[in-house]
Amino acid sequence: AQSVSQHNHHVILSEAASLELGCNYSYGGTVNLFWYVQYPGQHLQLLLKYFSGDPLVKGIKGFEAEFIKSKFSFNLRKPSVQWSDTAEYFCAVNRASSASKIIFGSGTRLSIRP
Amino acid sequence: GAGVSQSPSNKVTEKGKDVELRCDPISGHTALYWYRQSLGQGLEFLIYFQGNSAPDKSGLPSDRFSAERTGGSVSTLTIQRTQQEDSAVYLCASSPRTVSSYNEQFFGPGTRLTVL
Repeated sequence: AQSVSQHNHHVILSEAASLELGCNYSYGGTVNLFWYVQYPGQHLQLLLKYFSGDPLVKGIKGFEAEFIKSKFSFNLRKPSVQWSDTAEYFCAVNRASSASKIIFGSGTRLSIRP
Repeated sequence: GAGVSQSPSNKVTEKGKDVELRCDPISGHTALYWYRQSLGQGLEFLIYFQGNSAPDKSGLPSDRFSAERTGGSVSTLTIQRTQQEDSAVYLCASSPRTVSSYNEQFFGPGTRLTVL
């Protein structure tokens, strides 16, 4: 069965620090990969997605993620975080080209100190 | 345009009662998903509807949970004989299932269910 692991449950950073949140999945086939963000009191919203092509994908608000197939990873990065990045971040995976459910990781809570 | 809407936003019920949660997906979206988010937990998949295909019910935790999607649009999640462990935020998402937005989900605000 597919699973998604986010090993960092809570990350605390100061403003301007660099960010990397880990995401690993277990599925050997072709996958679609997503990062979603949930700001306090708001809906979940898509941050970025990878379907095919360039494994380095750019998302909103300066976020990017790199798909490394050999490592089954899709880590999220941002070079310089802001206080407004305080949120919960979810990695998600599903099998490409199939009408299948999306599996979410357990989430990483990011707290930014002003 | 209008996003995914869910009602009620909050529901408090007594143990043993039945509850119905409603989801209105974005117009034209063929795929609809229900998830459960418990305190401090990630999103737990419950059920998935895609067009006229049989729904994927593999995530429903027990036979007390059921869901319908009428006319390919509105969906209702029903929990019978609620238990305290059913307390959670129930999220609905829809997806256009187009090539350019394949499997990208748009989430509603959720229904916070509290079972006393």
